[in-house]
Amino acid sequence: KAGVTQTPRYLIKTRGQQVTLSCSPISGHRSVSWYQQTPGQGLQFLFEYFSETQRNKGNFPGRFSGRQFSNSRSEMNVSTLELGDSALYLCASSVLGSTTSYEQYFGPGTRLTVT
Amino acid sequence: AQSVAQPEDQVNVAEGNPLTVKCTYSVSGNPYLFWYVQYPNRGLQFLLKYITGDNLVKGSYGFEAEFNKSQTSFHLKKPSALVSDSALYFCAVRAYNAGNMLTFGGGTRLMVKP
Repeated sequence: KAGVTQTPRYLIKTRGQQVTLSCSPISGHRSVSWYQQTPGQGLQFLFEYFSETQRNKGNFPGRFSGRQFSNSRSEMNVSTLELGDSALYLCASSVLGSTTSYEQYFGPGTRLTVT
Repeated sequence: AQSVAQPEDQVNVAEGNPLTVKCTYSVSGNPYLFWYVQYPNRGLQFLLKYITGDNLVKGSYGFEAEFNKSQTSFHLKKPSALVSDSALYFCAVRAYNAGNMLTFGGGTRLMVKP
């Protein structure tokens, strides 16, 4: 099976712009979660989607949003980019939802640099 | 709220020696605990998990972890370290009612020297 794929792998944007990142989960996985990784804050949970519905949301401003499509692919959007949004954005997929113990599998990430 | 602490930023060990990477957690209810490893410019790779049952969990690449409920710890271990084990290791916890939301520790860099 192919793993979690994320596109693009690298992105450079300017302050004030917006960006959309894409994630394709492992085939058959219906849960997709997004995380932000920075040297200062470490790994932080952004949000989780399951069956096209946002189920959990982390403590991030409303500039960060996401969605999931019927084929379980997910996108996240960051509007009005700030320098502090520079980070590695990781997507993870899991087979099922909250009552299961299935582990999440991570993609390689999208490295976003805001200048 | 749930939290994870990895008290050591870096662990140094000689190749062939046993290694331990420490993790303590705080969560309401029974925890789901995970260890992930990250190599440079890569995503996180799943190593092992504890859900219930035997307190000693075996995972990938010879790693194992010991769950200790009274000490709220989940330390990662390996009997004999390899140079190729050098990487960044993350402990994570998930509350049983928190969907797939993982809370990660700050990470521990493992350096295995030949």
